[in-house]
Amino acid sequence: GQNIDQPTEMTATEGAIVQINCTYQTSGFNGLFWYQQHAGEAPTFLSYNVLDGLEEKGRFSSFLSRSKGYSYLLLKELQMKDSASYLCAVRPSGGYQKVTFGTGTKLQVIP
Amino acid sequence: DGGITQSPKYLFRKEGQNVTLSCEQNLNHDAMYWYRQDPGQGLRLIYYSQIVNDFQKGDIAEGYSVSREKKESFPLTVTSAQKNPTAFYLCASSIARETGELFFGEGSRLTVL
Repeated sequence: GQNIDQPTEMTATEGAIVQINCTYQTSGFNGLFWYQQHAGEAPTFLSYNVLDGLEEKGRFSSFLSRSKGYSYLLLKELQMKDSASYLCAVRPSGGYQKVTFGTGTKLQVIP
Repeated sequence: DGGITQSPKYLFRKEGQNVTLSCEQNLNHDAMYWYRQDPGQGLRLIYYSQIVNDFQKGDIAEGYSVSREKKESFPLTVTSAQKNPTAFYLCASSIARETGELFFGEGSRLTVL
């Protein structure tokens, strides 16, 4: 089966850096996604990691350690518009279609 | 612009009624999905389709039905057999490849009165 754990809520200050962790246990592994979802809206794709290491995209970076079943999303220079839920999702091996999502981390950015 | 269109955005239904949610994509993606999202829970997979005229049950298919008669369209019917249908429903599509990320529609919020 699949199990993905993320903190439920986090609060951070505008301009700061925040790290959102995700741990997973899946039957095989074929990539990890991070999505951003504003309240009442559709999730939007942020990043995809399949190899160990850090992927950087502007203010957002995502890290993966396959041996530890661990990933994090790093948000730098936080802006108020970054207040959203951040969803960690894992694609197990053996089939691209069965992506499993965590419950998401609700991030609140305060002035 | 390419994307996924879901309709309606909001829908109210009486108990015992079936309702169909529309999902159309013009991204030329082979794979399409339906997810359900409830407060405090992650997205849960209802059905997915990898190709026209073929679809597979996801983790919570009971009380739902789908069809895939065209590549662009993947409608979801919430039947009266679904015991707790009030939820936010998300349609997604992707290329049929391991690295393909999911592209989501804007969602349909169904409320059963």
